[in-house]
Amino acid sequence: ETGVTQTPRHLVMGMTNKKSLKCEQHLGHNAMYWYKQSAKKPLELMFVYSLEERVENNSVPSRFSPECPNSSHLFLHLHTLQPEDSALYLCASSRDRGLGNTIYFGEGSWLTVV
Amino acid sequence: AQTVTQSQPEMSVQEAETVTLSCTYDTSESDYYLFWYKQPPSRQMILVIRQEAYKQQNATENRFSVNFQKAAKSFSLKISDSQLGDAAMYFCAYNNAGNMLTFGGGTRLMVKP
Repeated sequence: ETGVTQTPRHLVMGMTNKKSLKCEQHLGHNAMYWYKQSAKKPLELMFVYSLEERVENNSVPSRFSPECPNSSHLFLHLHTLQPEDSALYLCASSRDRGLGNTIYFGEGSWLTVV
Repeated sequence: AQTVTQSQPEMSVQEAETVTLSCTYDTSESDYYLFWYKQPPSRQMILVIRQEAYKQQNATENRFSVNFQKAAKSFSLKISDSQLGDAAMYFCAYNNAGNMLTFGGGTRLMVKP
C-alpha cells in the first residue's frame, strides 16, 4: 500500500487529445512533485509545488500544465502531446522542501502518445 | 548543476551473496543528502537508504549499507545476503536545497537462485 496514489495507471492518448493525470497523497505532506521517467533518460524533475504554490518548473513545455488545488492533490493536464512524451510519470510528495526530507513516490502513470 | 553517474547498467548476484552497486556524483556544495531508491517491476520508487553529507558514519539499514567517500564523491550501495526480492532497478540520487532529486541512470540488479 502506498501513501501516494496515481490514476490512471495506464493512459493511451492521441496527439490531439486532452487528458489529465491525477495524484493524491495521504501523508499530510506540504510538497508535491512530478517526475518523468523515459526509456533513454534518467528521471527528470518536471514541477515542484509547495503549499499549493508552484515553486519550480524545470523548463517543461507548455503542453504539460500542472495544477495543485490543495496540498493533497496534484494534477498534470496534458494537451497536444508528442510521441516522445510517452513515458512513466511519477508523482511524489515530502513533508516540506527542507533539505533531506524523504520523498515518497507513487506507482506512476504510464502514458503512451499515439 | 549536479550530476549523478551509475557506471553499471546491469549487475547480477547469486542468492545469499553480497553485491556492491557504484555511484559517483559531482557537486560544489558542501551540504546535501544522498539516497538509494529501489524500483521493482511495480514501478514505485522505494527508499532504500539515505546519507547526510555531514555525517562521516556510513548509513546502514538491515542488509543494506553504503560506503560514502565524500572527498571522492562516491556513494556505493552494498547488499548483503541477497534475496530474490532484491531484484529491481536501483537508482542513486543526489538531494540538494529545495529537496529536489537528481537521479543517476540506474543499475538493474538480477538475483540468481
